Parts: sequence; C-alpha cells; structure tokens
Amino acid sequence: QVQLQESGPGLVKPSETLSLTCTVSGSSIRSAYYWGWVRQPPGKGLEWIGTAFHSGITHYNPSLKSRVTISLHTSDNQFSLKVTSVTAADTAVYYCVRDNGRSSSDQWGQGTLITVSS
Amino acid sequence: QSALTQPASVSGSPGQPITISCTGTSSDVGTYDLVSWYQQHPGKAPKLLIYEVTKRPSGVSNRFSGSKSGNTASLTIFGLQAEDEADYYCCSHAGTPTPHLIFGGGTKLTVL
Repeated sequence: QVQLQESGPGLVKPSETLSLTCTVSGSSIRSAYYWGWVRQPPGKGLEWIGTAFHSGITHYNPSLKSRVTISLHTSDNQFSLKVTSVTAADTAVYYCVRDNGRSSSDQWGQGTLITVSS
Repeated sequence: QSALTQPASVSGSPGQPITISCTGTSSDVGTYDLVSWYQQHPGKAPKLLIYEVTKRPSGVSNRFSGSKSGNTASLTIFGLQAEDEADYYCCSHAGTPTPHLIFGGGTKLTVL
C-alpha cells in the first residue's frame, strides 16, 4: 500500500522560504514515477506546482517556476518542495503526489495547510 | 496559462447520468490525450478517477467514463448516487512554454 505524508512548519512569514517534505512508503522514489506537489488555496481549486524524476528531470508550473524547487532524496525515500519569497497568496493546502508518468496523480498525501502570515 | 474551463456546478437526481465538461485550447486538451479527472470530497485529498482521457485506475467504478472531442473533454457519471456528491476537477498536459499540467476550476456536483 502506497502512502505519502507531508510535513512542514504550518506557518511561514511573508518573504521567507516555505519548505515541505513528503515521506513515501510502499513505493520507491527511484522507480518509474514522477513525484510532485499540488496546492489548493482555502475554498479554491487545485493548482499544479511541479514534478521531479529520479534522473534529475524537473517540470514546473510556468507561473511559479522562478520561486519553486522540487528535490528528491533517494536515501530517505523522501522528496521536498521549496518556495521562496512567499506571500499571502501562497497560503494553501499543499499535497504531495505520485505522478504515473502519464500526467496524472494516482497517489496523494492527506495534505498540509501552510499559512503565510506575520 | 489560464485554467481549463469547467461549469461551476451541475446537479442530477439519483440514477440519472450527468456530464461535466472541461474546455481547453489547442495547446493542451486539443493536442494531448493526457486528460485526467479527480473527485474531491470535502476535507479530503483528491482521488484519480480517469487518466489518459478514458482510462480508469483499478478500483474506480465503471459508472465513471471519460471522453474528448477537439478542445473539450468530458466526464460522465452514470447511475448517479448520493456518494457522488463532491467537487470534480479536470487536468490536462500542456506543452508550452515548457511541459506542465493545468487544472480546471472545478465543478460542484449536487445529487438532488
């Protein structure tokens, strides 16, 4: 059974860097899947952030690309998300996902709410 | 990149079929057979229902069916059930300026 679990600070100050980690069990991040992040502002729709493959390939949302980095940590079977220079608009539930390589996320974490506020 | 266009809400009675549309452009839905659909109940993570336009993951009911014509993809739910009441999102691969995914704005399904 594949499980993904997000972990992070919950509260981030404006202009700082948001850092999240996703711990994967039941599936190796060195396998033939992409690993990524999707977010959902409170009461709003889903926004794709990006994905990464163990070969080093990354794909990012063009509107976020300058502020986002997704990294895979194979020794821990984890991957991470960093978003720099955050504002209130980055307040959202952040989900880590497994992408099946066909542009669809077949496994999701439970999500973690990140609030940007001073 | 603008979100794919979905109706904000649809409704139907138990047992009836309903269809949710998802309109994109020739740069995404119209070019790539990489459209997926997700179901999200309140307070829960989304669940994959359909991928590659028409395919269902193992365990997803065959009451859910996907299709595509031109720049518009559709999700049809047959034999509507109370448990189908949820938000539904479409998603498509897009190739420019770099490969990425775009979600629709979401559709709230109400079972009357």
